[in-house]
Amino acid sequence: GAVVSQHPSWVICKSGTSVKIECRSLDFQATTMFWYRQFPKQSLMLMATSNEGSKATYEQGVEKDKFLINHASLTLSTLTVTSAHPEDSSFYICSKSRGGHNEQFFGPGTRLTVL
Amino acid sequence: AQSVTQPDIHITVSEGASLELRCNYSYGATPYLFWYVQSPGQGLQLLLKYFSGDTLVQGIKGFEAEFKRSQSSFNLRKPSVHWSDAAEYFCAVGAGNAGNMLTFGGGTRLMVKP
Repeated sequence: GAVVSQHPSWVICKSGTSVKIECRSLDFQATTMFWYRQFPKQSLMLMATSNEGSKATYEQGVEKDKFLINHASLTLSTLTVTSAHPEDSSFYICSKSRGGHNEQFFGPGTRLTVL
Repeated sequence: AQSVTQPDIHITVSEGASLELRCNYSYGATPYLFWYVQSPGQGLQLLLKYFSGDTLVQGIKGFEAEFKRSQSSFNLRKPSVHWSDAAEYFCAVGAGNAGNMLTFGGGTRLMVKP
């Protein structure tokens, strides 16, 4: 299957700091990548769709100024959680798509803990 | 808009027993359907997918699923469960739009008794 990497796999930060999470497509170019958030024992919630060379499309209720997404190349999308607070602690997962059948390939996730 | 329901939040089966995880979707046309598995602290791994054609699809790890249009269902099955199958299972539906977005069900946590 297609390969997606995320870095870091886990991060602990202090409240008020910013954290950047990288999502890389290792095998094919991805013009579209997705960012999800998952709370413990819950399903994935789509935060935003990241489009190479253009602005991300955010889902309703997701603060675009807090969750900055940059998709500057066809193999890299980044999510920056700005001024993180404890309620931002979660598991963040990225994915990429290929073809026209909505098939997505997921990264291993990043565990963010804000103290 | 499409939606997905996984009626069972938790399921416990004995090792070697058969398994069926339920998934119901809501969408006006033929959807693209997926089952993913997630181990604790990991990303999602695709088990199988349905786009069109044969309604019984085979996946990895011995799993299969059957698309039943009349019941708006895409249930996941395995004839004999192994302890390593304990995980969270997610059903997802895609509407075939250009955005390639997926809508996920709430997930079913599978526990396997020895």
